[in-house]
Amino acid sequence: GAGVSQSPRYKVAKRGQDVALRCDPISGHVSLFWYQQALGQGPEFLTYFQNEAQLDKSGLPSDRFFAERPEGSVSTLKIQRTQQEDSAVYLCASSFDRVAGYTFGSGTRLTVV
Amino acid sequence: DQQVKQNSPSLSVQEGRISILNCDYTNSMFDYFLWYKKYPAEGPTFLISISSIKDKNEDGRFTVFLNKSAKHLSLHIVPSQPGDSAVYFCAASDSGGSNYKLTFGKGTLLTVNP
Repeated sequence: GAGVSQSPRYKVAKRGQDVALRCDPISGHVSLFWYQQALGQGPEFLTYFQNEAQLDKSGLPSDRFFAERPEGSVSTLKIQRTQQEDSAVYLCASSFDRVAGYTFGSGTRLTVV
Repeated sequence: DQQVKQNSPSLSVQEGRISILNCDYTNSMFDYFLWYKKYPAEGPTFLISISSIKDKNEDGRFTVFLNKSAKHLSLHIVPSQPGDSAVYFCAASDSGGSNYKLTFGKGTLLTVNP
């Protein structure tokens, strides 16, 4: 597609539930990023893939967060046993190269109740 | 500890006038800076960037100025238009380190009044 596609757009989860957020990057973009944006804050880096390799996962808040990109295209961010502090917008971005041309998706707004 | 700071949560400007959005950073390793624009319910959209080897970069109505000694950058929009109303994020990266990782400020909500 023309842009980065994320699904679902909105997700309400009960505390303790597992969720999976999907990202379809721009075709041909080797770099893929996940960011978390809490209310009133700027996006914060979670993890980075180059093709299928997860090169940096230093921003993942805890071991309940897991990301994968098995075939170097679609990526999934999984959050296990969700907690209220996980409520945020999760943004996916892709890039052909580095930070130049970072294209963000519209995000998934996760609300944990 | 915020490494990128946008101290003005909001700014209101009259259509046709200049909008100036400010950003300060503390990490001296940052050498590449970007501005993103965000409309509600959409992802941030890249606007303009500047490398630390420059002090100015211009693209149409948008100009970014970088003052390395003050660790300060600003985005000028001239003339401002109602469609410019959005949240503007300043972001920075360290090309010598994790050059793919962006550190964002909290954003400034710009409102351009007709």
